[in-house]
Amino acid sequence: GQQVMQIPQYQHVQEGEDFTTYCNSSTTLSNIQWYKQRPGGHPVFLIQLVKSGEVKKQKRLTFQFGEAKKNSSLHITATQTTDVGTYFCAGPANTDKLIFGTGTRLQVFP
Amino acid sequence: DVKVTQSSRYLVKRTGEKVFLECVQDMDHENMFWYRQDPGLGLRLIYFSYDVKMKEKGDIPEGYSVSREKKERFSLILESASTNQTSMYLCASSLGTALLLAGGLEQYFGPGTRLTVT
Repeated sequence: GQQVMQIPQYQHVQEGEDFTTYCNSSTTLSNIQWYKQRPGGHPVFLIQLVKSGEVKKQKRLTFQFGEAKKNSSLHITATQTTDVGTYFCAGPANTDKLIFGTGTRLQVFP
Repeated sequence: DVKVTQSSRYLVKRTGEKVFLECVQDMDHENMFWYRQDPGLGLRLIYFSYDVKMKEKGDIPEGYSVSREKKERFSLILESASTNQTSMYLCASSLGTALLLAGGLEQYFGPGTRLTVT
């Protein structure tokens, strides 16, 4: 069945360093979403990418959708302690449900 | 803002008990979902519903059932709780079909219920 994998599973960085998480789907996606889950919290929608090769920015966060629409990445520039959490990508299955990636847990040391 | 509420943040039940987890959303969303989240396994879909009285199995429906009698409410039922159902349960809702490119696809999550079965 359709699978969405993310790497790395964990990432520890020093505050101020950059961070990137990668998302790979076994099938072509019509769009891809990213969510952030703070420790002890619930996933919160960040952004949706639709077009092949699309790049979107939210302050220090840059999201990219691959040309083949099978992969995506989230890059955080100059991480801050507020960036701590688990980042999930998600792509639609053939119904109204989403397939969530395995998540990347980011820890930022001050 | 969309608000999704869940009946309990923490719940402790005994093996064999029948457990009801309630979820309510206030934005008239068509779709509602139940996930469980376990360390290292991410979010796994249990059941979802795209309309009142309609339901579809997700990836791990065994041991669970659902009920959607009203559009705003989606209940998850553990018919006979077992220790391997100890987990964080998350409810979510979304407005439209996943195939729409114009949005309305994002899911809004409730705060979660941490269920412990002893």
